Amino acid sequence: EPEVTQTPSHQVTQMGQEVILRCVPISNHLYFYWYRQILGQKVEFLVSFYNNEISEKSEIFDDQFSVERPDGSNFTLKIRSTKLEDSAMYFCASSVAGGRSNSPLHFGNGTRLTVT
Amino acid sequence: AQSVTQPDIHITVSEGASLELRCNYSYGATPYLFWYVQSPGQGLQLLLKYFSGDTLVQGIKGFEAEFKRSQSSFNLRKPSVHWSDAAEYFCAVGGGDDKIIFGKGTRLHILP
Repeated sequence: EPEVTQTPSHQVTQMGQEVILRCVPISNHLYFYWYRQILGQKVEFLVSFYNNEISEKSEIFDDQFSVERPDGSNFTLKIRSTKLEDSAMYFCASSVAGGRSNSPLHFGNGTRLTVT
Repeated sequence: AQSVTQPDIHITVSEGASLELRCNYSYGATPYLFWYVQSPGQGLQLLLKYFSGDTLVQGIKGFEAEFKRSQSSFNLRKPSVHWSDAAEYFCAVGGGDDKIIFGKGTRLHILP
């Protein structure tokens, strides 16, 4: 069964550094997402991406964050200048037809980001 | 905007006992409803979904959920839990826009 893959599984960075989290969505999916989960808390929506542009973003997704689909397979999340509070598990997800339909999101196993 | 409430943060049941995890949603129209399970250190796996039709939906691993519009609920059930069911369970709602929104999760503990 096709999967969403995320790399790396764990990233440690120093405060103020830039990080790029990488994801390869399922190949025939059209909608792509980033969610994050701070340890012990709920899974929070960050951003959705469709047709090479952001379709929705949450208030968490401020100017420090950006997403890109640089080629036909990768979907990246960049944090420009990391803060301690960015430490979390970041999940990438993809979907055939997005949240306005009944197609579920398929999630990767996550990248644990630790900012020191 | 849609929202989800999972009132129980932790639930403990004995192996072999029945299980019900509660989920209430808020959304103006008919929602799309999902249950996901997260094992430690893992991603989120879809258990089941509801979008229309029969209000009782069957999922993987012997789980089912019932959509009750009058109660704005989508509770997850399993008749007999196994030790491997210990995990965190998330209810989620979609329909209004491109995202789905998750509840805070319920951590299920299984007693031997």
